[in-house]
This record gives sequence, structure tokens and C-alpha cells, in this order.
Amino acid sequence: GAGVSQSPSNKVTEKGKDVELRCDPISGHTALYWYRQSLGQGLEFLIYFQGNSAPDKSGLPSDRFSAERTGGSVSTLTIQRTQQEDSAVYLCASSLVGTGGTGTQYFGPGTRLLVL
Amino acid sequence: AQSVTQLDSQVPVFEEAPVELRCNYSSSVSVYLFWYVQYPNQGLQLLLKYLSGSTLVKGINGFEAEFNKSQTSFHLRKPSVHISDTAEYFCAVSGRGNDYKLSFGAGTTVTVRA
Repeated sequence: GAGVSQSPSNKVTEKGKDVELRCDPISGHTALYWYRQSLGQGLEFLIYFQGNSAPDKSGLPSDRFSAERTGGSVSTLTIQRTQQEDSAVYLCASSLVGTGGTGTQYFGPGTRLLVL
Repeated sequence: AQSVTQLDSQVPVFEEAPVELRCNYSSSVSVYLFWYVQYPNQGLQLLLKYLSGSTLVKGINGFEAEFNKSQTSFHLRKPSVHISDTAEYFCAVSGRGNDYKLSFGAGTTVTVRA
């Protein structure tokens, strides 16, 4: 596709359930990022993938959060045992150049997660 | 590590009036600077970026920003706004080298009224 796509666009789940959020980056982009946008915390970095390098997980808020990127393309963010404070919009971005911040990060429309 | 402060949380402005959104950053290293716009229920769209060179950067939709290293600022301006500019605007910073992560400000909501 022409841009970064994310699915689902909206997800409502019950506290304690696991959820999976998907991101399809722009074709050919080597770097992929996950951010979270919430009312209390603003926009926060979660995790970064670049090529075959080990991902930078320094932004993940707890061990309930994990992410993988298969085949250097699609990424899945998994939240286990969801809590109400996980409610937020989860944004995915990709860029052609992963290091140095010189590559423009293109963002997807986000997945709006609501944990009841 | 870098941080960003957007000095105004909300900016109401009349159509065809100028607008300035203020952004200050803090960093111990050289940085790249960005402004993103988020329209209602949409993702983030890049308005403009400063990487190096001329300190006056022009972006899409008539926006421009000026990098001021001595004042650690990167204010966004538009000489004449339209109703369609109503959105939330985010200033962001990343380090150079391998520090790719974007650190965002809290955002400024611009509401343009007729």
C-alpha cells in the first residue's frame, strides 16, 4: 500500500485479556517503530526494529508488552493481561533510514484500544 | 536524552490570522527537529523537519519553522490560517547518530474560527 496500515482500527477488550495489534509498514522501509498516545502520557516511544538488529525495547512499559517483526516487514504488538491503563492509541511508524533520525517517520492511523 | 516543551496547550485563532506555535527542546547533543500535525481521528503527518543547513525550514500547507540553537527553540508559524488547519500539532526531537527515537511535546491544539 501507499502508507503505513494498522489493524484493527479499534479494539475493545476486557481487563485481563490479551490483544494483538498489527502494523504493515511502507514497502521497503527498513525501520519500524511503535508509539503510544494516551491522555495522561502524551506520545511515548515503545519499541524500534531496524533490519536484522536486535530491537530496542527500552520504551516498553512492562513485561506484559512484547513485539515482533516477521520477515523484516509486518509487526505485531502484543499486550498480555491487559489493564485499564493500557487504553490508548497505538501508533506505528516506518522509515527508510533507521539510524540517526534522518529518515522521516511515516505514521499509520493508529489502533484505538479500550480496556474495560 | 532529549525532551520537548510546547509552551501553549491550546491556541484559538481567527481565519486568515497568523499563528505561531512555540516549541523549546532540551538536549546534550545535536538534534533533528520535527513538527507533525494530527487531524481529528487521523495519524500523524509530517509538516516539516530540520536536519541541518538553513535555519528557516518551509513545510507543507504554508507552514514554516525557524531553528534557533542559542534559544533551543523551533517555533512553527503560518502567516494566514484556514479553517482546515484546525488540528493538534506536535513538536518532536531526535538525536543524531543512532538515537532515532522521537521524543514528542505534549501537543498544541489549534482551533481556527471564522
